Amino acid sequence: GAGVSQTPSNKVTEKGKYVELRCDPISGHTALYWYRQSLGQGPEFLIYFQGTGAADDSGLPNDRFFAVRPEGSVSTLKIQRTERGDSAVYLCASRIQGASTGELFFGEGSRLTVL
Amino acid sequence: GQQVMQIPQYQHVQEGEDFTTYCNSSTTLSNIQWYKQRPGGHPVFLIQLVKSGEVKKQKRLTFQFGEAKKNSSLHITATQTTDVGTYFCAEGGSWGKLQFGAGTQVVVTP
Repeated sequence: GAGVSQTPSNKVTEKGKYVELRCDPISGHTALYWYRQSLGQGPEFLIYFQGTGAADDSGLPNDRFFAVRPEGSVSTLKIQRTERGDSAVYLCASRIQGASTGELFFGEGSRLTVL
Repeated sequence: GQQVMQIPQYQHVQEGEDFTTYCNSSTTLSNIQWYKQRPGGHPVFLIQLVKSGEVKKQKRLTFQFGEAKKNSSLHITATQTTDVGTYFCAEGGSWGKLQFGAGTQVVVTP
């Protein structure tokens, strides 16, 4: 597709379970970002990939959160031992590195609900 | 935490009226981006401001970057129902990483 694709669109899980959220960026976009958005708040930065490597993971809240991008395209955000406070919309965004504007292209998000 | 503060948090506007939303920082900003998020949707890029005092227009939307690069504003004229949504400003940092404000939620009354 032409845009950033995220799956699943909705995920309901129980406290303590493991969750994986997938992001397929726009073809050719080397920069990939994960954000988390809680109700009534702006997106909160989690992690940034340039190619395969995590260039900045300073936004990950704790070691239960981990993300990978093994081939420099698709990325997976992994959350272990989920807690109710992890409930939010997880947004993925990509952009062309070195573009004249820093425009981020966001996906529709994965809504995570932890019961 | 979020470095940019947006006011107001909510904006109720009568269709056809003008309004302005503000984005403020205590520190100098390298650049500012504005995004619009429709209800149930995802943030969509509107504009990027880089230069001190910069003013950019997109049809009924006027964006301004303050002279000291510590604040920005978005002014919408003749508001339409299609303007409904939440408007976010975001400080651009290294790696293209953005620090978003909490947004101004705009409701338009016909």
